[in-house]
Amino acid sequence: DGGITQSPKYLFRKEGQNVTLSCEQNLNHDAMYWYRQDPGQGLRLIYYSQIVNDFQKGDIAEGYSVSREKKESFPLTVTSAQKNPTAFYLCASSIGTLDEQFFGPGTRLTVL
Amino acid sequence: KQEVTQIPAALSVPEGENLVLNCSFTDSAIYNLQWFRQDPGKGLTSLLLIQSSQREQTSGRLNASLDKSSGRSTLYIAASQPGDSATYLCAVRRRATSGTYKYIFGTGTRLKVLA
Repeated sequence: DGGITQSPKYLFRKEGQNVTLSCEQNLNHDAMYWYRQDPGQGLRLIYYSQIVNDFQKGDIAEGYSVSREKKESFPLTVTSAQKNPTAFYLCASSIGTLDEQFFGPGTRLTVL
Repeated sequence: KQEVTQIPAALSVPEGENLVLNCSFTDSAIYNLQWFRQDPGKGLTSLLLIQSSQREQTSGRLNASLDKSSGRSTLYIAASQPGDSATYLCAVRRRATSGTYKYIFGTGTRLKVLA
């Protein structure tokens, strides 16, 4: 089955810790994205990548970092510099940056 | 600044009713607009993508229209069913002045179809 997987589904972090969220796709898509969703707000773009070894900051990149070493994988690290990291994180991919986006099931991060 | 607004925020309708969901955007210089549905605690499911050169797209009981000049898109759902209950989101894609791409989502319309 082709699709996007995210792990873990739930993640708990202590203040001051860095955590990494996984996103993998087997759709052969070039573009991948990370969004954050907070209650009552629209999704906000954190980072996106158009191609391997390249990525661009979105609207709320501060406190986050990404890498794109493989086409299939786009992990997101939430660093201790992110002031309010508790949120629902969604990964997406598309053939190109102007094409239809497909989303993974999400990771819910809670800071204790 | 591009803003995307979806009104109403919530809607309840009886089963079988035809309904229209609205999406408004302030900047007409968009590449495309995409409609999604989201079930509670889940990721987004793509419904329809309309390119800026298109006026409408259809998939089954769904029809989405786009009027760039007025900054509006509508999602029409025919013969609604309880399984259509979800939050419906629209998103526009445009180029930022920096040359990067911007993806702007509305806050959604929460639909409940009553059996």
